[in-house]
Amino acid sequence: DGGITQSPKYLFRKEGQNVTLSCEQNLNHDAMYWYRQDPGQGLRLIYYSQIVNDFQKGDIAEGYSVSREKKESFPLTVTSAQKNPTAFYLCASSIYENTGELFFGEGSRLTVL
Amino acid sequence: KQEVTQIPAALSVPEGENLVLNCSFTDSAIYNLQWFRQDPGKGLTSLLLIQSSQREQTSGRLNASLDKSSGRSTLYIAASQPGDSATYLCAVRPMEYGNKLVFGAGTILRVKS
Repeated sequence: DGGITQSPKYLFRKEGQNVTLSCEQNLNHDAMYWYRQDPGQGLRLIYYSQIVNDFQKGDIAEGYSVSREKKESFPLTVTSAQKNPTAFYLCASSIYENTGELFFGEGSRLTVL
Repeated sequence: KQEVTQIPAALSVPEGENLVLNCSFTDSAIYNLQWFRQDPGKGLTSLLLIQSSQREQTSGRLNASLDKSSGRSTLYIAASQPGDSATYLCAVRPMEYGNKLVFGAGTILRVKS
């Protein structure tokens, strides 16, 4: 079945460590996104990519990095520079059109110990 | 800057009741509006996508309407069931931002049996 796979589902990190969240899609979508969700707040965009080897910062990119070497994959690295990384992270994708429907993965919950 | 507001923030209804969730946005220049459902600890599931040229979309017991000129959308759920309990989010794709969505904070729905 086509879809978006995020891993790991749960991740614990010690302060000062970088961690990488995986996002893979087999929907043949061009555009991919990373959102952060905190309790009581709406989704906030971290990074997005419209094509391979290209990505743009979203509203809260500081302390995060991404790469887009393959169409199917858009990993997110949460660096030690991110001051408050404990959150629920959601990956999404859509076709590269302004009218495209957005689809989400199941999310990854990161907790900093 | 586009802002999306959802009212009410939470809603509790008895099983079988018809209900309406509201979504408002500040800038009518949008490509489309999308309604999502989110269960606790899960990703978002797309429910309905309404393009800017459309007035409504229907899927089963769900009906979503769009009034672009007034900056409003409603999600109507007929004959609610306990399984409908979830958080419902709406998001708009502004023409100003190209391929990014702006989300509301969501409405938490509880359907009591």
